[in-house]
Amino acid sequence: SQQGEEDPQALSIQEGENATMNCSYKTSINNLQWYRQNSGRGLVHLILIRSNEREKHSGRLRVTLDTSKKSSSLLITASRAADTASYFCAAGANSKLTFGKGITLSVRP
Amino acid sequence: DAGITQSPRHKVTETGTPVTLRCHQTENHRYMYWYRQDPGHGLRLIHYSYGVKDTDKGEVSDGYSVSRSKTEDFLLTLESATSSQTSVYFCAISRPGQGFDEQFFGPGTRLTVL
Repeated sequence: SQQGEEDPQALSIQEGENATMNCSYKTSINNLQWYRQNSGRGLVHLILIRSNEREKHSGRLRVTLDTSKKSSSLLITASRAADTASYFCAAGANSKLTFGKGITLSVRP
Repeated sequence: DAGITQSPRHKVTETGTPVTLRCHQTENHRYMYWYRQDPGHGLRLIHYSYGVKDTDKGEVSDGYSVSRSKTEDFLLTLESATSSQTSVYFCAISRPGQGFDEQFFGPGTRLTVL
């Protein structure tokens, strides 16, 4: 069964706005990762947060992790049209990842 | 792209025929993975390998087998393809860094079973 579940399933925003995507997972994890997939392409790793971390930043990305609630959020600040893609969270444990179903982000110019 | 190639990139086959997909990496990473991606399901793990001749099942392994006789190659075989196996198949490798496993994906193989 799917470990990660993203919310919302689809998000449409204006360029320059912030995009917030949420993920919940079910069991214990070593880390929580976020990936991006452009249409017709493979997944690209964005950011990883370890289970003992609460917040991490990378450029315009900010990820938080709340292990007590088994949830994570990904914030993309100052979005660009090029951020249009599908975003997946993945729960990492025992050298394996379990992916959610993905969020489709559309950024309107 | 982490030196990962998949072949073929596209394949159309008929129900009941055997199909083998190949994943090749150039960086000698120990862990390799096969996923399938279907609308509404995200990515689901089929099989993975943690070394030559060391493989294990994932979430959706029924109807699939794998082999890894060399570090650089991980083969996924559909012994008798069914229409339910129409999907996009992704191979990935793991680059453990300080014990944490980021994965890097190949470009995918689109398989259609008629």
